[in-house]
Amino acid sequence: RKEVEQDPGPFNVPEGATVAFNCTYSNSASQSFFWYRQDCRKEPKLLMSVYSSGNEDGRFTAQLNRASQYISLLIRDSKLSDSATYLCVVNKAGGYQKVTFGTGTKLQVIP
Amino acid sequence: NAGVTQTPKFQVLKTGQSMTLQCAQDMNHEYMSWYRQDPGMGLRLIHYSVGAGITDQGEVPNGYNVSRSTTEDFPLRLLSAAPSQTSVYFCASTQAGNYDNEQFFGPGTRLTVL
Repeated sequence: RKEVEQDPGPFNVPEGATVAFNCTYSNSASQSFFWYRQDCRKEPKLLMSVYSSGNEDGRFTAQLNRASQYISLLIRDSKLSDSATYLCVVNKAGGYQKVTFGTGTKLQVIP
Repeated sequence: NAGVTQTPKFQVLKTGQSMTLQCAQDMNHEYMSWYRQDPGMGLRLIHYSVGAGITDQGEVPNGYNVSRSTTEDFPLRLLSAAPSQTSVYFCASTQAGNYDNEQFFGPGTRLTVL
């Protein structure tokens, strides 16, 4: 089983729709979690950290479920500009080399 | 601030050639790292550094060398290029003190080895 697993998609959704992605992780010792966004042929950029209590940033909501070992990203009122690949990132305690990137979920928002 | 810069943007090598991918950051970050990104795989850590003069291996270090003589620069050397090293290479930097700090990535180098 991969350490971090994501559905590669693509998720094709119309503008204005709500879409949600999940990411599962295998190591219960994982301590911190992030969503990065990567546009086509560009570098990844931090979208948001994922806190135990959940967190929201505008149209984006991230949740953590430690019992089931997954994190989620919800995007409301999708915009064309949200089209990108969303990378799940998990950090086990203990050092820089413990950061694991998922393969990403591709989102395409359609007019 | 330019952030993290990488050169070259594109490179084609023949098997057996060597080259250096350059990475520089102007944010005074202590931590720097090199990743490769291949289709269907997440970013994989090649080498990283927690400060000038300190480097360590990541998940896929074979065939690559690094050095960190200054805080700003972290070059990646391919010793004898192989087709398996065809990939997109990203350099990243992070503030010291917390491995959970945001990683800032450079624009990437697209390398093809024939």
